Amino acid sequence: AQKVTQAQTEISVVEKEDVTLDCVYETRDTTYYLFWYKQPPSGELVFLIRRNSFDEQNEISGRYSWNFQKSTSSFNFTITASQVVDSAVYFCALSVRYSTFIFGSGTRLSVKP
Amino acid sequence: DGGITQSPKYLFRKEGQNVTLSCEQNLNHDAMYWYRQDPGQGLRLIYYSQIVNDFQKGDIAEGYSVSREKKESFPLTVTSAQKNPTAFYLCASINRAQGTEAFFGQGTRLTVV
Repeated sequence: AQKVTQAQTEISVVEKEDVTLDCVYETRDTTYYLFWYKQPPSGELVFLIRRNSFDEQNEISGRYSWNFQKSTSSFNFTITASQVVDSAVYFCALSVRYSTFIFGSGTRLSVKP
Repeated sequence: DGGITQSPKYLFRKEGQNVTLSCEQNLNHDAMYWYRQDPGQGLRLIYYSQIVNDFQKGDIAEGYSVSREKKESFPLTVTSAQKNPTAFYLCASINRAQGTEAFFGQGTRLTVV
């Protein structure tokens, strides 16, 4: 069975602080994909990143960076110098061979000015 | 522009009524999904379809039904058997062969009155 755990339910930071959102996944499969999505108040899910199980390289995109570690089954997301516009719910998701997508329960990030 | 369209955005239903949520995509994606999101919670899979005329139950299929008569369309019917249908419903699609991320519609907020 597959599972995604986002232990942080809510995080509150002050603007310009760095913040890391944790994601731990479970799967017995060796081929899988990991994703992060952002859900602003409008409700639509916005795709941020995809990583396949064979690519453990960390990635940086502007103020966003992702740390994928198979040894700990984690795929953590860091926002550097957070901004108020980063306030949203962030979801981590797992897909095994593109059969289904399993989502974590989400982390609500509040960035205060 | 290609994308996924869900309609309506808001829907009100009386108890005991069936209601159908529309999901249409023009991305030529083969797989489509329906998720339910309750306040403060993650996304739970209701049904998914990987090919026309075939679909599979997700984790919370009871009280719901779907059809996939066309590649572009994956409507979800919330039946009177669904005891607590008030929720936010999200439709998604992917191109499994190309290994894309899941593209989401803007969601339908269903309220039972």
